[in-house]
Parts: sequence; structure tokens; C-alpha cells
Amino acid sequence: NAGVTQTPKFQVLKTGQSMTLQCAQDMNHNSMYWYRQDPGMGLRLIYYSASEGTTDKGEVPNGYNVSRLNKREFSLRLESAAPSQTSVYFCASSEAGPSGTDTQYFGPGTRLTVL
Amino acid sequence: AQSVTQLDSHVSVSEGTPVLLRCNYSSSYSPSLFWYVQHPNKGLQLLLKYTSAATLVKGINGFEAEFKKSETSFHLTKPSAHMSDAAEYFCVAPQGSGAGSYQLTFGKGTKLSVIP
Repeated sequence: NAGVTQTPKFQVLKTGQSMTLQCAQDMNHNSMYWYRQDPGMGLRLIYYSASEGTTDKGEVPNGYNVSRLNKREFSLRLESAAPSQTSVYFCASSEAGPSGTDTQYFGPGTRLTVL
Repeated sequence: AQSVTQLDSHVSVSEGTPVLLRCNYSSSYSPSLFWYVQHPNKGLQLLLKYTSAATLVKGINGFEAEFKKSETSFHLTKPSAHMSDAAEYFCVAPQGSGAGSYQLTFGKGTKLSVIP
């Protein structure tokens, strides 16, 4: 049981390049999330998927797209990377009960630098 | 929408002394609240969560937190700090209730340093 896995762990891009961050979970969770973490800002939600086949914008969606490929996998794509997207990206998953008490389980993160 | 404020960006304690990390929340109703911990270069791990069943919540590694509605606080404590407690701690609240409440609002974090 690996929990939440993310690839790659590190990435350096040039401005304007594109890339996809991959996330997978093996806990049979319904909901998955993408966050970015910047110094002094806590974590901010980029996009989330409440269930397979649905995706919704979070707090900071501009410049990103997502795909919920199946129940296990949720990818985040940067179409044209900008230096402002330099950050640490975390994927998370939860069973997503309606009361908001569900624990979210986080992956180890992807450290992205855009030059 | 629910919001949380962590009152200290950095706390430094000596090994073996008590730890207090402060969090205030804003809401007109009793919320769910969480504390997560992030060790250097790692993902986040749940320490404990409050779900209105009991105001004093015990978590992993000897941490506990008390929900105080009158003070709108959810401070994290530990009687005796260990070197392995050095990490960043986040107070977290779901946004609203019911559908969509699994969207989380994170505090800005408190970095705990433990001095040998």
C-alpha cells in the first residue's frame, strides 16, 4: 500500500515549456486534490476532483489544467510555464464524506523550478 | 467561509520543555479542525482532528489540542518536546459544511525548532 505517489520529485523548466505532474493513489478514494505550497503562504488549492469524472477549480487555478484519468489518477498540466509557478506541488486524496471531516492523505510533493 | 490564523510563524523550544502552537478560527458555528505536520522535504501528515465529539483531542506522537469555542481557538500542545518534533505545523479547516466542505483552508504554518 503506497498511499499517494507523485512523479517527478524534481523538475526544472524554462519559461514557456509545458509539463504534466502525475499523481496516483491506491486507497480507493473518491476525491483527489492538487495544492501548491509557497513560503509563508501555507497550501493553496489549485484544482480538485470530488469524484471520478468531475473536476473543479480551487483558489488558484489560473495557468493550470487537470485530468481525472480514472479513480486512481489525477494529473496537473502546466501548458506554458511561468516563473510564478515555481513552487512545491502536492497531490492529496480523501474518501470525501460530506461532513468535511475526512482526512486528506498527501503525496511527497514535486519541487518545480521555472527559469 | 471558514478561516484559520496561526499566531506564530516560528516557535523555538528546548528539548524536554512544553510546546504550544496557537491557532484561532473564524466561524459562527462549531467547525471541524485539523492539525497537520510537515517534516522537512516531506508531505503533510495528519496529527489530529476535531469533529465535535470531544473538545480535547489526542493525536499522534503525544500531541493534543483543545477546542475552545468561547475563545475560537484550537491550540496544539505537547508536554515535552523531542528533537524529532522539529517541523512545520499547519492548522486547517474545511470550507463551510456539507457538500464541498472537503475543500481545506490552511493556516500559513508555524515552524517549530527544538534546541538540544
